[in-house]
Amino acid sequence: NAGVTQTPKFRVLKTGQSMTLLCAQDMNHEYMYWYRQDPGMGLRLIHYSVGEGTTAKGEVPDGYNVSRLKKQNFLLGLESAAPSQTSVYFCASSYYGEQYFGPGTRLTVT
Amino acid sequence: AQKVTQAQTEISVVEKEDVTLDCVYETRDTTYYLFWYKQPPSGELVFLIRRNSFDEQNEISGRYSWNFQKSTSSFNFTITASQVVDSAVYFCALSGEYSGGGADGLTFGKGTHLIIQP
Repeated sequence: NAGVTQTPKFRVLKTGQSMTLLCAQDMNHEYMYWYRQDPGMGLRLIHYSVGEGTTAKGEVPDGYNVSRLKKQNFLLGLESAAPSQTSVYFCASSYYGEQYFGPGTRLTVT
Repeated sequence: AQKVTQAQTEISVVEKEDVTLDCVYETRDTTYYLFWYKQPPSGELVFLIRRNSFDEQNEISGRYSWNFQKSTSSFNFTITASQVVDSAVYFCALSGEYSGGGADGLTFGKGTHLIIQP
């Protein structure tokens, strides 16, 4: 039982490049989330999904897109990366209440 | 809108001292959940506790204890006899009422960096 996994763990992008972060969970959870963590800011919600095929915007959605084609996967896309998107990205899943977090992806945009 | 305030940016104490981390929240929901997470230097988020808004009993788990006071909208966390391994960033978080699938994620405070000196 792997819990929540994130791919990749680290990535360096140049401004304007695109990439997709993958989150996978094996707990059959309905709800999944993407957060970003910046120094001194805590974690902020980017997008979330309450079920397969559904997505919704969180607190800081600009510059990101998401898809939930399969219940176990939640993808976060950056179409044109900007230095302001340098951050640590955490994925989480939950059924009701407690959120289970992945190990994080450290993204640097130069 | 929901808000979580952790006014203490950084706390430094000597090992074996007791330390309390403050958390104040704002929400319009009548049913909500409060959480504490620990983030050690390795970076992962470690779940510590979840408390729902109807349960105001204090909780103790080993050296950790939590004081939930609805009247002051606070959910404070105390570590008794602190140890170097307690050094980490601690986050308080809040989630709103779950209804009709409205599981809209957690609102986090900015965190308190706790340094335990040997």
